[in-house]
Amino acid sequence: GAVVSQHPSWVICKSGTSVKIECRSLDFQATTMFWYRQFPKQSLMLMATSNEGSKATYEQGVEKDKFLINHASLTLSTLTVTSAHPEDSSFYICSARYFFQSEQFFGPGTRLTVL
Amino acid sequence: EDQVTQSPEALRLQEGESSSLNCSYTVSGLRGLFWYRQDPGKGPEFLFTLYSAGEEKEKERLKATLTKKESFLHITAPKPEDSATYLCAVQARGTSYDKVIFGPGTSLSVIP
Repeated sequence: GAVVSQHPSWVICKSGTSVKIECRSLDFQATTMFWYRQFPKQSLMLMATSNEGSKATYEQGVEKDKFLINHASLTLSTLTVTSAHPEDSSFYICSARYFFQSEQFFGPGTRLTVL
Repeated sequence: EDQVTQSPEALRLQEGESSSLNCSYTVSGLRGLFWYRQDPGKGPEFLFTLYSAGEEKEKERLKATLTKKESFLHITAPKPEDSATYLCAVQARGTSYDKVIFGPGTSLSVIP
């Protein structure tokens, strides 16, 4: 149980284009989903937290107009990187938690490369 | 300020050589402590949740323990497939269930 998927697993795009990453909880209803960014050999950096049907809460320093998050249902959240630039290249990981559960369950991650 | 540190940063073990990883935390009150395993290029895999000092949990060759200031992940007779980065994370009382602080991780290499 507690399986989270992400799509795509990797994406290469040109500078200035937008990229959408999907995160789905496959066997449970995720009341809260999280988006993290991870640089090589570093730990996870929380970007934003989203609750189903509500606006996402962004961490300090994360541009909400660049990283658009939509948590449209209890099983789907999307992260759109708008007007991507090479500095946005990174490993993006989502996680999901269901109501009153403490643990977060992570997706496999999406490797974004912006040329 | 709430903080989580892990040591060592990296650990190389011979196959079968048991050892422990440390996670030290400073929070106003602990709601839960989590251990995850992360393989290169993949998302973290959930291992354990510990809630109170004295609690222990086991899974195969791994055993997690918790005190009031730190947690240990004991690895007994490790195998090469145990090689990964092990992440510790803490959830503090008095904060949202959403607030989890991750440590920097310990990179474990098990040599055949």
